[in-house]
Order: sequence, then structure tokens, then C-alpha cells
Amino acid sequence: GQQVMQIPQYQHVQEGEDFTTYCNSSTTLSNIQWYKQRPGGHPVFLIQLVKSGEVKKQKRLTFQFGEAKKNSSLHITATQTTDVGTYFCAGRRRGSNYKLTFGKGTLLTVNP
Amino acid sequence: ETGVTQTPRHLVMGMTNKKSLKCEQHLGHNAMYWYKQSAKKPLELMFVYNFKEQTENNSVPSRFSPECPNSSHLFLHLHTLQPEDSALYLCASSPADGDNYGYTFGSGTRLTVV
Repeated sequence: GQQVMQIPQYQHVQEGEDFTTYCNSSTTLSNIQWYKQRPGGHPVFLIQLVKSGEVKKQKRLTFQFGEAKKNSSLHITATQTTDVGTYFCAGRRRGSNYKLTFGKGTLLTVNP
Repeated sequence: ETGVTQTPRHLVMGMTNKKSLKCEQHLGHNAMYWYKQSAKKPLELMFVYNFKEQTENNSVPSRFSPECPNSSHLFLHLHTLQPEDSALYLCASSPADGDNYGYTFGSGTRLTVV
């Protein structure tokens, strides 16, 4: 079945440092979504990428979708303590009723 | 509040108990989902309802029984659970099941089976 792998599993940074999490799929994706889950909270939808090579920005967050539509990344510039949480990617594959498959997530902790 | 309300927030039940989890959304969405979130595992899709019809049962044991009486409400009936069923159960909704929609998640029910 389809797998979505995320690395790293954990990342600890000093406030002000940059952070990147990577998502890789074993199959070509129709689109990919990113979610953030704060500790003790629930996943919150951040963004969806659809086009090959697409890049979207939300303030300090930059999201990329690979040319082959099999990988994606989330980059945070100059992390803040409010960025703490688990970042999940979730991919949809054609031919699977567009079922959304989540990665295991990357837990980001930020030292003030 | 996310627009998707789950009750109860916490539940402790014995293995012989029967309980139900409730999910309610007033976002006008037509698709609703149950997910299970366990430590160190990806979010696991359990059930999908699209326009009140169940369209996905992701090989979930029969001790979990979903019910969707209308597009705004979703239940998960639980009976004779096992300790390994302890997890965070998340409800989500989207405008319709399929492409191009992000999910709105509820705050979840933290279930402990003793």
C-alpha cells in the first residue's frame, strides 16, 4: 500500500534557527497537505500543494512540492517558541479513492 | 473551537463496557471521518462517510461500529474493547470526500481501556 515517510522524526532547535521536515511518498501523489498539531492538541490544516514544483509561503513557512510529485518539504525560517508541535504531511494518491495517507510527523521543539 | 465538536474529551472504560463517542459539525461539510492516533504511529483512518453513506472501512475490528444519522453528526460505538485500543480518537470533516479539501479536526476523545 501507499506509504508516506517523514524525516526527521524529532528535531530540537534553538529559537531563531531554521527548521526543515521532509516527506517522501512511494507513489506519485495527486496532492499533498500539511498539518500542525500542538502538544495536547489536534491536527490543524496548514496548506495543500497540487502542482508539480509548486512553492507556497505562509509568513515564515515555505512549502514545496517536488517535480515528480513524490516528495515535499516544509521549511520554517527563524523558529519561534510558538512553532513547537508535530508537523504532518498527508498525501493523496489517484486510484485509491483519493484516500489521505498521513506520515508519522516530525516533532519540533524550540529552546528559547 | 474548530467547528468540529467531540464529546467526551476523555473516557475511561472497562473491557466489558459499551460506550459511544460523538462528533458534531456545523460547517456544512458533507464528509466525516474517524481517525485513531496512537503514540509513534501515523494517523490511522478508520471510517469515512460521504453524504451519510459509509465509503470506507479501513479493516477496522467489529468492536468499533460507526453511525452517521445525518451529515452533521457522527458516532463511534465501542464494545468489548482491548487495552491496545487506548488512543486519541479524532473526528474530522471536509466539504466532500475527495480531492482538494483540507480536513477540519475536532479536539479528540482520549480513550483509555482498562
